[in-house]
Amino acid sequence: NAGVTQTPKFRILKIGQSMTLQCTQDMNHNYMYWYRQDPGMGLKLIYYSVGAGITDKGEVPNGYNVSRSTTEDFPLRLELAAPSQTSVYFCASHVGGENIQYFGAGTRLSVL
Amino acid sequence: GENVEQHPSTLSVQEGDSAVIKCTYSDSASNYFPWYKQELGKRPQLIIDIRSNVGEKKDQRIAVTLNKTAKHFSLHITETQPEDSAVYFCAAMFRGGADGLTFGKGTHLIIQP
Repeated sequence: NAGVTQTPKFRILKIGQSMTLQCTQDMNHNYMYWYRQDPGMGLKLIYYSVGAGITDKGEVPNGYNVSRSTTEDFPLRLELAAPSQTSVYFCASHVGGENIQYFGAGTRLSVL
Repeated sequence: GENVEQHPSTLSVQEGDSAVIKCTYSDSASNYFPWYKQELGKRPQLIIDIRSNVGEKKDQRIAVTLNKTAKHFSLHITETQPEDSAVYFCAAMFRGGADGLTFGKGTHLIIQP
C-alpha cells in the first residue's frame, strides 16, 4: 500500500514550457486535492475532485488545469509555466465520510 | 471562503516548557480542525485533529482546544523536546471536506536546549 505517490520529486522548467505533475493513490479515495506551498507560507488549494469525472477550482486555480479520468489518478497540468508558479506542490486524498487527508511527498518546481 | 489566521509566526521556548499556538477561523460552517507538523523538505504530517462537536482532545503531550463561539482553536504542546522543532500549521475544513483544507500561514517552533 503506497498511499499517495507524486512524480516527479523535482523539476526545473523554463518560462513558457508545459508539464504535468502526476498524482496517484491506491487507497480508493474519492476525494483528491492539489495544493501549492510557497516559501514560508501555508498550503493553498489549487483544484479538487470529489470523484472520477468531477473537478472544481480551489483558491488559486489560474495557470493550472486538472483531469480525473480514474479514481486513482489526478494529474495537474501547467500549460505556460511562469516564475510565479515556482512552489512545492502537494497532492492529497481522503475517503468520503472521513476528514483525514493523506499527503504525497510533494513536487518541488522551479520556473526560471 | 474560509480564512484562517495563525499566531505567532515564530515561537521560541526552552526545552521542557510548554508551547501554545493559536488560530482563528472565519466560517462558522467549518467543522474539522487538524494540526500538521512539517519538517524542512517534508510533507505535512497530521499530529492531532478535532471536530466541531468536541471541545478538547489530548494525545500524550499534545492537546487541541476548540471554542466554536469565538471561532478559535489552539495547539498545546507540553514538556517540549528538541524533536518538536518544526513548522506547525493549523487548518479548517467545511462542507464535508469536499472543498479541501484552508491552512494558516504556519508557526516556526524553536526548542532551545
